Amino acid sequence: NFMLTQPHSVSESPGKTVTISCTGSSGSIASNYVQWYQQRPGSAPTTVIYEDNQRPSGVPDRFSGSIDSSSNSASLTISGLKTEDEADYYCQSYDSSNLEVFGGGTKLTVL
Amino acid sequence: EVQLVESGGGLVQPGGSLRLSCAASGFTFSSYWMHWVRQAPGKGLVWVSRINSDGSSTSYADSVKGRFTISRDNAKNTLYLQMNSLRAEDTAVYYCASPLFNYWGQGTLVTVSS
Repeated sequence: NFMLTQPHSVSESPGKTVTISCTGSSGSIASNYVQWYQQRPGSAPTTVIYEDNQRPSGVPDRFSGSIDSSSNSASLTISGLKTEDEADYYCQSYDSSNLEVFGGGTKLTVL
Repeated sequence: EVQLVESGGGLVQPGGSLRLSCAASGFTFSSYWMHWVRQAPGKGLVWVSRINSDGSSTSYADSVKGRFTISRDNAKNTLYLQMNSLRAEDTAVYYCASPLFNYWGQGTLVTVSS
């Protein structure tokens, strides 16, 4: 079964830049779009990146997405970190049957 | 303003059934594919099911296939999830969403326990 692997947690200081990776278990991650979702404690998820690198309206340009075919990974980069960015982040793509698959999530701590 | 409001969650015994609803407003519901995503307590997001805009095509995660049925009523701007043969592992907050467009509900809690 296709899996997306994320680091369990990352931490960084306010104002810095952090990158969260999402590695596909098989196939080419570049073959399907990757989305990224933010979930603050006690809240519903929101979408911060769709179709690899597109931001929904209202999402600041501090958030960016990219694909690295050489490592079969997608990445979410957040620059100019703010305390409000502290949340769980999930990547999502599709398996060989074109069904949605989520990564396990990464807890971002901004300290 | 886009709103997705889930309802129908609650406590149900193993083997029981429940129907979740998701009332949509603020956007042209009939034009969007819709999804159910769930989250067990303290765990990550898990995709459950999706339905295309006119309801003619549905897909399910293996864990719920044959037990859950997704449907929609575009005249009522409402998405449904019929859940049968419920198991303890189905305990979760269930979100309706159109994720690519950043439309998410606040979720409804389903607890399967005797």
